[in-house]
Amino acid sequence: AQSVAQPEDQVNVAEGNPLTVKCTYSVSGNPYLFWYVQYPNRGLQFLLKYITGDNLVKGSYGFEAEFNKSQTSFHLKKPSALVSDSALYFCAVRDSLNYGGSQGNLIFGKGTKLSVKP
Amino acid sequence: DTGVSQDPRHKITKRGQNVTFRCDPISEHNRLYWYRQTLGQGPEFLTYFQNEAQLEKSRLLSDRFSAERPKGSFSTLEIQRTEQGDSAMYLCASSSSGRPYNEQFFGPGTRLTVL
Repeated sequence: AQSVAQPEDQVNVAEGNPLTVKCTYSVSGNPYLFWYVQYPNRGLQFLLKYITGDNLVKGSYGFEAEFNKSQTSFHLKKPSALVSDSALYFCAVRDSLNYGGSQGNLIFGKGTKLSVKP
Repeated sequence: DTGVSQDPRHKITKRGQNVTFRCDPISEHNRLYWYRQTLGQGPEFLTYFQNEAQLEKSRLLSDRFSAERPKGSFSTLEIQRTEQGDSAMYLCASSSSGRPYNEQFFGPGTRLTVL
């Protein structure tokens, strides 16, 4: 079965420290992976995606993610956290079974709440 | 504003009533998705349109749920005979065609509370 796992419900980081939000996946075929962020009372905002190519993907707001095929992981990282990064982060993978994946709907993890303290 | 919009933002209804939500996608996007998000969970896919064609509806939660996109622009999601278990955030997203991995842009959601 296709799935995404975010093993941490919450990650706490001090401002200025590096942060990592973990994600592992299980999918048939090539994985197309995404990270989204959700602020309170706002919709999901796209951060970055991995399609192919370099395993290190750079995205919005200084975030990056590292794709590791052998570990089936796609961890989100940022070298120096800001208080304003505090939000709910979702990892997602494209559903590759529907219409051979052509319709592109996403399978999401449960989310990880990131809390950055001053 | 050129983003995805949803209306209403909040809906409180009594059990057994029908509700309808509207989504206006980004104008040049021909793909439209509906998701449901319950507390503590990630969004769960419900249905998908390419232009006006509903290409996937088997994930709709029951036959009380239906969706339309009559002219390939805005879409509506209707829930008939609402139940307390329908209380959730209903999210709409749109994307451009061409590649199935094009990122989806989400609206702010409609929060449904069924009393």
